[in-house]
Amino acid sequence: GAVVSQHPSWVICKSGTSVKIECRSLDFQATTMFWYRQFPKQSLMLMATSNEGSKATYEQGVEKDKFLINHASLTLSTLTVTSAHPEDSSFYICSARRDQGANIEAFFGQGTRLTVV
Amino acid sequence: LAKTTQPISMDSYEGQEVNITCSHNNIATNDYITWYQQFPSQGPRFIIQGYKTKVTNEVASLFIPADRKSSTLSLPRVSLSDTAVYYCLVGETGGGNKLTFGTGTQLKVEL
Repeated sequence: GAVVSQHPSWVICKSGTSVKIECRSLDFQATTMFWYRQFPKQSLMLMATSNEGSKATYEQGVEKDKFLINHASLTLSTLTVTSAHPEDSSFYICSARRDQGANIEAFFGQGTRLTVV
Repeated sequence: LAKTTQPISMDSYEGQEVNITCSHNNIATNDYITWYQQFPSQGPRFIIQGYKTKVTNEVASLFIPADRKSSTLSLPRVSLSDTAVYYCLVGETGGGNKLTFGTGTQLKVEL
């Protein structure tokens, strides 16, 4: 299957700082990527849809000024958690959509563990 | 997006067949059914996808009745390494659009 890579796999940052997470589709182009957040023992919660060349679409309740998303190329989307606080500590997962004609699939990255101290 | 309902957890033993059923009563005509597997601290991994009847791959089988209001993921001869959370998702165009995850089913396989 297709490969989606996230970087870093884990990060620890101080409260008040910003953290950038990268999501790359390694062997296909993705016009659409999705960002999820997952708290311990909970399901994935969709945060936003990232569209190449345009603004991201955020889900209700997700602060767009806090979670900055940039999808500057067909293989890279970034999520920046600005002014991070301990409650932002979570597992962040991206997925990339691969369109092959009528066949559309979503491939997930390995996730990024963010700990804010 | 169609809502899905799955059992919260299931227990099994190595070598047994495990069937996880998902209800999706308001599935739309264009919706596909996709199952993902997730291990702790990893992203979800695609298992199988189907639209109707039966689909089988090297990992699992997916059974979908005619009314498509439910689906059953069948894992043959599970092993300890199949212990994971399994998610059933329903969405348009093969599941590649915005995916909404339900609670998932925590499968625990023991010796």
